[in-house]
Amino acid sequence: QITLKESGPTLVKPTQTLTLTCTFSGFSLSTSGVGVGWIRQPPGKALEWLAFIYWDDDKRYSPSLKTRLTIIKDTSKNQVVLTMTNMDPVDTATYYCAYYSYPNAFNIWGQGTMVTVSS
Amino acid sequence: QSVLTQPPSASGTPGQRVTISCSGSSSNIGSNTVNWYQQLPGTAPKLLIHSNNQRPSGVPDRFSGSKSGTSASLAISGLQSEDEADYYCAAWDDSLNGYVFGTGTKVTVL
Repeated sequence: QITLKESGPTLVKPTQTLTLTCTFSGFSLSTSGVGVGWIRQPPGKALEWLAFIYWDDDKRYSPSLKTRLTIIKDTSKNQVVLTMTNMDPVDTATYYCAYYSYPNAFNIWGQGTMVTVSS
Repeated sequence: QSVLTQPPSASGTPGQRVTISCSGSSSNIGSNTVNWYQQLPGTAPKLLIHSNNQRPSGVPDRFSGSKSGTSASLAISGLQSEDEADYYCAAWDDSLNGYVFGTGTKVTVL
């Protein structure tokens, strides 16, 4: 059974850096074809894809946020970490991590973690 | 900044058929497969349809997907109260080199 869980601060100040951790079980990020992605959803708004990291350490970022995002994996700990710099109130959202694999879809999602950006 | 356009809302009475459209372009829907996600109120999204028209195990067969050119559709036949949710289409975009979601459609069961 595949599960994912996001963790991190619930409140960050403007200009600070957000660090979110996705801890997963039921699969290995060293398995060919497997990836983990991050998606966010501002309150009452649509889903927005942020980043992927694949089993071979290939990384993809949303073009609009690329300069602010970094994604890394720790295969031994079954964790994926996303950092987002220079946080702004418009970044207030629920942040989800999700398991990405055949058939090129987010098959399993974490429960999400709400992050508020406010001074 | 969604590049896939969906109607904001759709509704129907129990038992009716509801269809949701998703309009994209040649760089996303036109050249890649479409997935659909269902988000029940207060919960995380769930994969509903993959590869344009395939249902993951456990998804009722009243949900069906289709794709034609740069557009896709999700149909819910025999609408039930538990289908009240937000629905998002999604696809890889070759120009953006990233994954894109639709604007989302809220389905209401009257």
